[in-house]
Amino acid sequence: QQQVKQSPQSLIVQKGGISIINCAYENTAFDYFPWYQQFPGKGPALLIAIRPDVSEKKEGRFTISFNKSAKQFSLHIMDSQPGDSATYFCAASISSGSARQLTFGSGTQLTVLP
Amino acid sequence: GAGVSQSPRYKVAKRGQDVALRCDPISGHVSLFWYQQALGQGPEFLTYFQNEAQLDKSGLPSDRFFAERPEGSVSTLKIQPSEPRDSAVYFCASSDRTGGTDTQYFGPGTRLTVL
Repeated sequence: QQQVKQSPQSLIVQKGGISIINCAYENTAFDYFPWYQQFPGKGPALLIAIRPDVSEKKEGRFTISFNKSAKQFSLHIMDSQPGDSATYFCAASISSGSARQLTFGSGTQLTVLP
Repeated sequence: GAGVSQSPRYKVAKRGQDVALRCDPISGHVSLFWYQQALGQGPEFLTYFQNEAQLDKSGLPSDRFFAERPEGSVSTLKIQPSEPRDSAVYFCASSDRTGGTDTQYFGPGTRLTVL
C-alpha cells in the first residue's frame, strides 16, 4: 500500500519559473510532512517541513501548501534555478507514539534549464 | 561538524554471501534509522534504534536482515545471506532527539549490488 503518492515523476522548468510538486497521503494519523532534496550520489537532506495546523509555510524560495481536508500537500519552488535540479521527495510521519519513521513518496526528478 | 558516514560506499556481493553495512551517526544522536532505496523509488523504512534499543524493526523485509547498535552509537545492518533482490541503496539517518518531528540527517548511503 503506497501511503504517500507523489507527482509528477519528472519535471522540467525554465530558469526563473515555478516548480510545483504534489503529494497525497492516505493515513490520517500522519501529522508531520517534510520535503527532502536529494542530489545524485548523496543522501536526502531536509528542505522544509510543515505541521497540519497551518496551511502554508514559506522559507525563502520554497513554500509548502497543505490541504488537510483533501489530504494533499505540495511544494512550490519560486524563481527556480539550475542549482535546484535534484530529486525531491515528500514524506510523512506520525510525530507521537513509537513510530518515528518517515514514509516517502516515490520522488520527482526536477530539471531546471538555464 | 561531521555528518552521518556510511561504509562501504559501494558493495558488490555474490548471491549467498553475507553482507555488513556500517553507519556512524552524528556524535550524540540518540535516534538512528535504516532505510532501503530501490532504483527510482523513495527510501523505505527498515528499522529504528533509540540508543542501543531497537524499538521498531517492522520494515525489515525478511529474517535475513539483522541490525544492531550495541553501544548506542555505531550501527551495522547485516544481510545473511544476500540475494539479488536485496540490491538497493541503503541509507542510515540519525536525529539528536526522539521527537517525531526531529530532523533526520541522512548519510551518503551504501550502494549494494548482489549478483
